[in-house]
Amino acid sequence: ETGVTQTPRHLVMGMTNKKSLKCEQHLGHNAMYWYKQSAKKPLELMFVYNFKEQTENNSVPSRFSPECPNSSHLFLHLHTLQPEDSALYLCASSKGLSSYEQYFGPGTRLTVT
Amino acid sequence: GENVEQHPSTLSVQEGDSAVIKCTYSDSASNYFPWYKQELGKGPQLIIDIRSNVGEKKDQRIAVTLNKTAKHFSLHITETQPEDSAVYFCAASIGGSGGSNYKLTFGKGTLLTVNP
Repeated sequence: ETGVTQTPRHLVMGMTNKKSLKCEQHLGHNAMYWYKQSAKKPLELMFVYNFKEQTENNSVPSRFSPECPNSSHLFLHLHTLQPEDSALYLCASSKGLSSYEQYFGPGTRLTVT
Repeated sequence: GENVEQHPSTLSVQEGDSAVIKCTYSDSASNYFPWYKQELGKGPQLIIDIRSNVGEKKDQRIAVTLNKTAKHFSLHITETQPEDSAVYFCAASIGGSGGSNYKLTFGKGTLLTVNP
């Protein structure tokens, strides 16, 4: 196990639903990340948090809303998604923004119908 | 911004053979190059990385080489085993003082299959 857990592992939601993805890291890290992994595309960095503060939003649509209540937990709130948002959403953490290694969770496989 | 190209997209080898995956990058300022392995149902895991001050790094059966002049780097796996079967991603970032270590630009991945 990488020390980063994500729930749920699979999620199917309609375009009008509201759901949340949860990530928790047990590594004592201070930085946390959300990535989107789509088929045949490179991993896309979505959001970055450092010591609970958002430091990066890579032009992500507002239908994705992150929340970081503390350095161990990260949420991604989803509402009015589109079918093209179907993907694997990966959470990662690192000691800090200057740390090289990122530790990834297993991801949430999201399907938007 | 940085662009990372990775080839091949799929690679099939016989157990015991070597496997080589190649990546090129566009930003000459990039100086950190990690390789991640993603097994089915799991998140990517760092397996080896190299920084621009060295040309080669080895860790048991895996090695990475870097050619800064040509802006390409490669992953070499020797004596492949079925458990090496996975998707491998290369990445690049501008690390160090004044850089953004965490801003990794990833390649699209290589599906490696090792046949017993």
